[in-house]
Amino acid sequence: TQLLEQSPQFLSIQEGENLTVYCNSSSVFSSLQWYRQEPGEGPVLLVTVVTGGEVKKLKRLTFQFGDARKDSSLHITAAQPGDTGLYLCAGVLETSGSRLTFGEGTQLTVNP
Amino acid sequence: NAGVTQTPKFQVLKTGQSMTLQCAQDMNHNSMYWYRQDPGMGLRLIYYSASEGTTDKGEVPNGYNVSRLNKREFSLRLESAAPSQTSVYFCASRISGTGGTEAFFGQGTRLTVV
Repeated sequence: TQLLEQSPQFLSIQEGENLTVYCNSSSVFSSLQWYRQEPGEGPVLLVTVVTGGEVKKLKRLTFQFGDARKDSSLHITAAQPGDTGLYLCAGVLETSGSRLTFGEGTQLTVNP
Repeated sequence: NAGVTQTPKFQVLKTGQSMTLQCAQDMNHNSMYWYRQDPGMGLRLIYYSASEGTTDKGEVPNGYNVSRLNKREFSLRLESAAPSQTSVYFCASRISGTGGTEAFFGQGTRLTVV
């Protein structure tokens, strides 16, 4: 079983639409991160959240960490074709210290 | 300013052959990681090293071994390659211990086992 469950796995939308990607777990995390990966490249960090209930905004992207630090969401407003990519959540368990675990990823395609 | 360097970038092996994937980072990070990524999927943790001298199993360690040679280098060895190990392998490093610090990734090694 995957420690971090991401949904949806695939998402295809039209330019201008809004979308939300979810990352859920039954475990408590000391921090959760969102990465974006382009084809042929390694993932690149978008944001880190460490406090329960925390909300961070990065231009049209809004990230939220659940109050219990077991889940997170990524919301994109007015998606653009340049947002196309693989979005990955990753976390460090409160009990693990160094182990960085990734979710299965959400493949987003934004059509012009 | 190299960051995380992986070698080789591409490799084709025959079933049963062995090979070592090399990874080096120049950011003085204490923790290093090996992941595999299958097409359209997320990253699955193979092994990680919290600090020099320590290694721990991840989610999918079977068929792999690792060596943390020093603070900079973390290698992944396939002793007897199998077709199921065909994948893209990523090495990463980060500072661990406080907060959620960024993981930096290499460019990946594309391995095909025939």
